[in-house]
Amino acid sequence: DQQVKQNSPSLSVQEGRISILNCDYTNSMFDYFLWYKKYPAEGPTFLISISSIKDKNEDGRFTVFLNKSAKHLSLHIVPSQPGDSAVYFCAASVGNFGNEKLTFGTGTRLTIIP
Amino acid sequence: NAGVTQTPKFRILKIGQSMTLQCTQDMNHNYMYWYRQDPGMGLKLIYYSVGAGITDKGEVPNGYNVSRSTTEDFPLRLELAAPSQTSVYFCASSYTAGNTIYFGEGSWLTVV
Repeated sequence: DQQVKQNSPSLSVQEGRISILNCDYTNSMFDYFLWYKKYPAEGPTFLISISSIKDKNEDGRFTVFLNKSAKHLSLHIVPSQPGDSAVYFCAASVGNFGNEKLTFGTGTRLTIIP
Repeated sequence: NAGVTQTPKFRILKIGQSMTLQCTQDMNHNYMYWYRQDPGMGLKLIYYSVGAGITDKGEVPNGYNVSRSTTEDFPLRLELAAPSQTSVYFCASSYTAGNTIYFGEGSWLTVV
């Protein structure tokens, strides 16, 4: 029972264009969401988060959008750079007071084409 | 900047063997975690610890044991290895329950 789903295993985007990574969730109790980035042979690193009281959060080139009614979030990267090539995981939890409660998606491999 | 350090990076085990994955962090974090990632799957929590002497089960604890005798170290023990334990294992830590998690580089384990 995968409560957090990333239906696109891979995505290729031209350098300089926008990358959009999608994540869907089924548990309506989830109210805190995070994106992690993972390079090969490294551990995931935190990228950006959003709580359900917001529908958008920006950090430089990275913006996360949350659509609670659709149970959908997306990560936008603008403009995409070669260093953005990595696997991106979304994660969700009920509240932000228990990392042990995080549920991770299966990941999307983003490739930026120079 | 060591952060979270895991050893070994790669290991091949035979069915029925035991081994310990070592994990240490130098950030004085209270919380430590062990995750596994199977191909095409998200990270699954095996065990976690909220401080020295305290551990608790995660989503997939069967076949594993942990201990937390110090703040820095959180070893994961595999007893009687099985092919289903072939996976990539990540140790992680955070200062408190809701703070950013910092991951180690991962340990690739194959059980044959």
